[in-house]
Amino acid sequence: DTAVSQTPKYLVTQMGNDKSIKCEQNLGHDTMYWYKQDSKKFLKIMFSYNNKELIINETVPNRFSPKSPDKAHLNLHINSLELGDSAVYFCASSQVPGGGQFNTGELFFGEGSRLTVL
Amino acid sequence: AQSVTQLDSHVSVSEGTPVLLRCNYSSSYSPSLFWYVQHPNKGLQLLLKYTSAATLVKGINGFEAEFKKSETSFHLTKPSAHMSDAAEYFCVVSPRNNYGQNFVFGPGTRLSVLP
Repeated sequence: DTAVSQTPKYLVTQMGNDKSIKCEQNLGHDTMYWYKQDSKKFLKIMFSYNNKELIINETVPNRFSPKSPDKAHLNLHINSLELGDSAVYFCASSQVPGGGQFNTGELFFGEGSRLTVL
Repeated sequence: AQSVTQLDSHVSVSEGTPVLLRCNYSSSYSPSLFWYVQHPNKGLQLLLKYTSAATLVKGINGFEAEFKKSETSFHLTKPSAHMSDAAEYFCVVSPRNNYGQNFVFGPGTRLSVLP
């Protein structure tokens, strides 16, 4: 049973279209993330949600809108797609382990969604 | 603020020889540190993590890393490379504070293993 699953795995679309990527985690984690990986493999955080509340919102065009219907799901909607949006988008989740707020749990990643904008 | 430097963008070793992937970090708070591996067209998998216990951390597939606070380093090593180790490796820092988890990735090091 996949811990963090994303759909679709591949997405090819034309400039100007709107598309969504869905993510679900069955780990019971309270924090979910979207990362963008560019062609040089650099990973940059886009958004983070904790218990459905947005806690990290990096400098991302407002064409990108995350939505978290519940703490197990974090979807990414992209409006008016541009060529520069072509990338692999990774969903991830984490949970602060017991023992106090100063511990850090690790990230669990989905397999990625490769978006190609033509 | 947090940042990660991976000193080599590409490392090439022969099968059976040692692997050293270098990572230096900066963090405003005591850090948790991680190494992740990404095989081609795959997601990222945790190799190992340091969160304030033993400074020498052992991970999966024979990898280990040593946290050196004085050098702000967390280098990844393996005594003997295997062909299946060829992948992209990312060093990650996360500050241990009360502002929520924020993971900052290094730029990655591509490991090639030659037969």
